[in-house]
Amino acid sequence: GAVVSQHPSRVICKSGTSVKIECRSLDFQATTMFWYRQFPKQSLMLMATSNEGSKATYEQGVEKDKFLINHASLTLSTLTVTSAHPEDSSFYICSAEGRGVMNTEAFFGQGTRLTVV
Amino acid sequence: SQQGEEDPQALSIQEGENATMNCSYKTSINNLQWYRQNSGRGLVHLILIRSNEREKHSGRLRVTLDTSKKSSSLLITASRAADTASYFCATDGNDMRFGAGTRLTVKP
Repeated sequence: GAVVSQHPSRVICKSGTSVKIECRSLDFQATTMFWYRQFPKQSLMLMATSNEGSKATYEQGVEKDKFLINHASLTLSTLTVTSAHPEDSSFYICSAEGRGVMNTEAFFGQGTRLTVV
Repeated sequence: SQQGEEDPQALSIQEGENATMNCSYKTSINNLQWYRQNSGRGLVHLILIRSNEREKHSGRLRVTLDTSKKSSSLLITASRAADTASYFCATDGNDMRFGAGTRLTVKP
């Protein structure tokens, strides 16, 4: 089946630094990438939707200048958390939807546990 | 690696019929969640069932959880064409893990 690779799986960074999370579709072309975050014991929250070659569409309340999303190719999307603060500590997960995918609509990365200290 | 594994991968039914999807997982969990997704749209959270619960209802949705078998099922009763979507289970232990999903098609 289709595979989406997300890394790093865990990252610890200092306040004020930036962290980049990558999401790659390994065997299909991801025309759309979704980025989510999850706070402990809560459901996923959609942060933004990005289509290859165009600007991401951010959900209400998500700061686009803080969470930079790039989807420059059909196999790679990145989420950069800029000037990270402890409140940005969360679980971030991507999912990819695209051409050549059978049966289900999207596939998920393994997630990234971000801890800002 | 993915934790939840949905079964079947694809399901096609007639409007009005019930749809049952199953999810199996491997490790201990705090809760299990079901989501739906329509093409081009983000996930929509349907229902969360905690590890100490056995059954939960929400409208036409019924979710069961059997922690001894490490499995959950989602039942959609009286299905509608608008229920056509992909359905994912996600287990929430230390981190959230998703299965590959079930593609449900409801024919009018």
